[in-house]
Amino acid sequence: QKEVEQDPGPLSVPEGAIVSLNCTYSNSAFQYFMWYRQYSRKGPELLMYTYSSGNKEDGRFTAQVDKSSKYISLFIRDSQPSDSATYLCAMRSGSGAGSYQLTFGKGTKLSVIP
Amino acid sequence: EAGVAQSPRYKIIEKRQSVAFWCNPISGHATLYWYQQILGQGPKLLIQFQNNGVVDDSQLPKDRFSAERLKGVDSTLKIQPAKLEDSAVYLCASSLEVWGGVTDTQYFGPGTRLTVL
Repeated sequence: QKEVEQDPGPLSVPEGAIVSLNCTYSNSAFQYFMWYRQYSRKGPELLMYTYSSGNKEDGRFTAQVDKSSKYISLFIRDSQPSDSATYLCAMRSGSGAGSYQLTFGKGTKLSVIP
Repeated sequence: EAGVAQSPRYKIIEKRQSVAFWCNPISGHATLYWYQQILGQGPKLLIQFQNNGVVDDSQLPKDRFSAERLKGVDSTLKIQPAKLEDSAVYLCASSLEVWGGVTDTQYFGPGTRLTVL
């Protein structure tokens, strides 16, 4: 079993839809959870950064972490064609040797159709 | 603020040839990372530098890959000899984090797309 599982999609939605992206993980030491957005032929850029369980909102984006279920989600409200990209979840443990190392999911490719 | 710079953006080589990639991190960032991203996969860390010292190279195939970060700024990643399975995007990232910090944001460069024929 991989440490981080993420459905690669592709996921296609109409403009204005609510998008839900998810990752599951197996390492209970993970404490810091991130979502990166990667446009085609570009490097990943950080979208959301959360610590431990709970919700975090930033504009149209909401990140949720449920450590008891080892499940994280990213919601995009009022999706726009400019949101079309690959979304990568990433996580790290945050303490001890190697805590800085990010473990990424495979990424979910999202297309928002006008 | 300028981002992470990488060159070249694309490289095509034959197997068994050698290749080198260059990275210039964001000014003042102490930590530099090299990742390998195979098509359809998430980035995988190859090596991490703290200033000019190696912090973690546990996933670097040392029989063919090498990396250095002279003077704690720019870095080069070399593959010699290349294999077909090395075809991937090589991403460089940097962060402000110093050893022992628990928060950091890794800023990624655009990557170098390597094709090995």
